[in-house]
Amino acid sequence: SQQGEEDPQALSIQEGENATMNCSYKTSINNLQWYRQNSGRGLVHLILIRSNEREKHSGRLRVTLDTSKKSSSLLITASRAADTASYFCATDPPQGAQKLVFGQGTRLTINP
Amino acid sequence: GAVVSQHPSWVICKSGTSVKIECRSLDFQATTMFWYRQFPKQSLMLMATSNEGSKATYEQGVEKDKFLINHASLTLSTLTVTSAHPEDSSFYICSARIVDWENTEAFFGQGTRLTVV
Repeated sequence: SQQGEEDPQALSIQEGENATMNCSYKTSINNLQWYRQNSGRGLVHLILIRSNEREKHSGRLRVTLDTSKKSSSLLITASRAADTASYFCATDPPQGAQKLVFGQGTRLTINP
Repeated sequence: GAVVSQHPSWVICKSGTSVKIECRSLDFQATTMFWYRQFPKQSLMLMATSNEGSKATYEQGVEKDKFLINHASLTLSTLTVTSAHPEDSSFYICSARIVDWENTEAFFGQGTRLTVV
């Protein structure tokens, strides 16, 4: 079953601009993770934020988590054409479940 | 980082035949692996959790007799789509986690594109 929604479903921006994607979820979580998927490929882990964290950075990525609103955002700064991909958030249910539940994903297109 | 290898990357089979997809953790032992299915432009739907040495746990609505999962070793899980039909055509992805740690990322195979004709 799907945990939540991602917004927008598709996003197209110019190279160099920032891209922001949002994720909402419904149940309690242990952590929230963001993954990237190039067309027809597997997923690559980008960043993990724990339920007791509010913000995390990794290179050009910035993730926020608001557990009171059950939402997260992924910001990619200074976007590049190579960032074109689908981005998924995934939540880890309470401790012990170990199975990730994915959001619907955002298809990001960076125009050169 | 850890590597998960999935094979084959694509397969075309005739309706009624069975197809086996392999998922290997190359540099770590995975007591648990996960099988997902993904339709075009959609998200990943968890099909089942594969447990080494025991029966897989299937998600609601997934036919266990249709999608046979075997996790015979700590580095290999297989998904067999039995008596495949065109509606089984999809992208199947496996993943594994190092379950001894909390809050860990999942490592994904490259996926298998199954086309049933």
